[in-house]
Amino acid sequence: NAGVTQTPKFQVLKTGQSMTLQCAQDMNHNSMYWYRQDPGMGLRLIYYSASEGTTDKGEVPNGYNVSRLNKREFSLRLESAAPSQTSVYFCASREQGITYEQYFGPGTRLTVT
Amino acid sequence: KQEVTQIPAALSVPEGENLVLNCSFTDSAIYNLQWFRQDPGKGLTSLLLIQSSQREQTSGRLNASLDKSSGRSTLYIAASQPGDSATYLCAVIKDSNYQLIWGAGTKLIIKP
Repeated sequence: NAGVTQTPKFQVLKTGQSMTLQCAQDMNHNSMYWYRQDPGMGLRLIYYSASEGTTDKGEVPNGYNVSRLNKREFSLRLESAAPSQTSVYFCASREQGITYEQYFGPGTRLTVT
Repeated sequence: KQEVTQIPAALSVPEGENLVLNCSFTDSAIYNLQWFRQDPGKGLTSLLLIQSSQREQTSGRLNASLDKSSGRSTLYIAASQPGDSATYLCAVIKDSNYQLIWGAGTKLIIKP
């Protein structure tokens, strides 16, 4: 049972380049989330998917797009990377039921030069 | 707008001491509150989740309390160890979409 996996772990991009961050979970969770974490700040929600086939904007969606490919996979795409998108990106999934606990992947450290 | 604050931003204590980390939130209408641990360069590990109807949760040497009316939660760590050194984050679930609103964290250093 791998939980939540993310690829790649590290990435360096030049301004204007594009890339897709991959996330997969094997816990049969309906909901999945993408966050970014900047130094000295809490995590901020970029996008989330409450169920397969649906996506919604979070607090900081500008410059990003997402795809819920199937129940397991939720990808985050940067179409034209900017230095302000340098951050650590975390994917999470949420179990069903009253506890609402979210489980996190190990993160992707992205640097845009 | 819900805001979550953690004070202090950093804390250093000698090994063996009991300590309390604080988390405050501005809107008492929360579903749950969750405490996480983050080690440098690594992901987040969930420590405790307190449902809005609960007052506290315990796991080993950790005890988390929740006072919704005052907008406060505390994480109590008993008999601290160097292995407890990490950043501790709290987050509240604000609505039925279960979005987490995060504090910036407290960086804890336990000195041997």
